[in-house]
Amino acid sequence: EDKVVQSPLSLVVHEGDTVTLNCSYEVTNFRSLLWYKQEKKAPTFLFMLTSSGIEKKSGRLSSILDKKELFSILNITATQTGDSAVYLCAVPDKLIFGTGTRLQVFP
Amino acid sequence: GAVVSQHPSRVICKSGTSVKIECRSLDFQATTMFWYRQFPKQSLMLMATSNEGSKATYEQGVEKDKFLINHASLTLSTLTVTSAHPEDSSFYICSARGRRGGVTGELFFGEGSRLTVL
Repeated sequence: EDKVVQSPLSLVVHEGDTVTLNCSYEVTNFRSLLWYKQEKKAPTFLFMLTSSGIEKKSGRLSSILDKKELFSILNITATQTGDSAVYLCAVPDKLIFGTGTRLQVFP
Repeated sequence: GAVVSQHPSRVICKSGTSVKIECRSLDFQATTMFWYRQFPKQSLMLMATSNEGSKATYEQGVEKDKFLINHASLTLSTLTVTSAHPEDSSFYICSARGRRGGVTGELFFGEGSRLTVL
């Protein structure tokens, strides 16, 4: 059975801190790994990763995949209060979601 | 980007009644739609996969007679919670994949529907 596990479950930081979110997976037919940010409603897409070692970047967010060790990390530098959300990783085809990491950034 | 509309965004009903939630792809044809449920402070749990014109495939532990899914057209899938009970209260989210669809970026989420059963 495909499985996605995220850690930590919860993270509380101050503005300006850098955080690293982890996602490990066990998938029979790996194609890609996705990161989403969920605030109050539906998740919004952040990154899709398909190849090992290639960093994807969007502003202060970046993510990388390690297909050998079966995990991905999402980094957020210089965090802001607006980064407070639940961050989810998922693997297709059906999008099996991880448990999520709840990030709270305080001023 | 592509838009998926989900309706209603919030519904309150009495125990024993049935509730229908609609998921529409507004500017693309969705060959596959997924329905998720999310309890407070928990992740999204896949309930079922719906392919246009065929029966939905339900995940283990999801009662297909209770959660009726219909995907009658390429732009509309519906989830009906039958004989709803308070424990069915949850946030239900749909996502849709278009025809080009292999994976992902091609998968778009609705805004979710919060169901409260009294």
